[in-house]
Amino acid sequence: EAGVTQFPSHSVIEKGQTVTLRCDPISGHDNLYWYRRVMGKEIKFLLHFVKESKQDESGMPNNRFLAERTGGTYSTLKVQPAELEDSGVYFCASSQIRGGLRTFGSGTRLTVV
Amino acid sequence: AQSVTQPDIHITVSEGASLELRCNYSYGATPYLFWYVQSPGQGLQLLLKYFSGDTLVQGIKGFEAEFKRSQSSFNLRKPSVHWSDAAEYFCAVGPSSGAGSYQLTFGKGTKLSVIP
Repeated sequence: EAGVTQFPSHSVIEKGQTVTLRCDPISGHDNLYWYRRVMGKEIKFLLHFVKESKQDESGMPNNRFLAERTGGTYSTLKVQPAELEDSGVYFCASSQIRGGLRTFGSGTRLTVV
Repeated sequence: AQSVTQPDIHITVSEGASLELRCNYSYGATPYLFWYVQSPGQGLQLLLKYFSGDTLVQGIKGFEAEFKRSQSSFNLRKPSVHWSDAAEYFCAVGPSSGAGSYQLTFGKGTKLSVIP
């Protein structure tokens, strides 16, 4: 079975620009999670979708971040406008059961300059 | 609030030596516990997990971890390290019940270097 796919793998953008990250979960996994690791810090939870609904978005840092999962399949995470402190690695994960074993993607490394 | 502490930021061991990576957690109830590994350019791969039962759990690649409730610890061990084990290791905790958030809380990670 295909794993969790994220793209792009790397993105370098200027401060103030917009970037959209995409995550394709494992087919049939209703639960999709976004995490972020800022350099030298912990991997932090951003939000959790169950199908197309946001189950928990308590980790979203501010309103410059918008996550969507239309149709309950792939998800996008848009950062608009990007700031320097948004740089880091953004991970996506999916699971079949709510809170169950998660499979992580390879991450998108975002650099804001 | 829950937290995970991995006190060692970077560890260097010789190939063939034993390894122990430390993990302590703070959690309101008995959590689910995980160890993940991230090799360069790769995603987070699950090494092992503890949900309940036997407190010594076996994982992939010859790793094991022991849950010690009294010490709030879940240390990762391997008796003989291979050069391919060089990577970053993350301990994580998550809720064991169905109520509330399903988010995982991660430690800051321990980077392992292996000397040939």
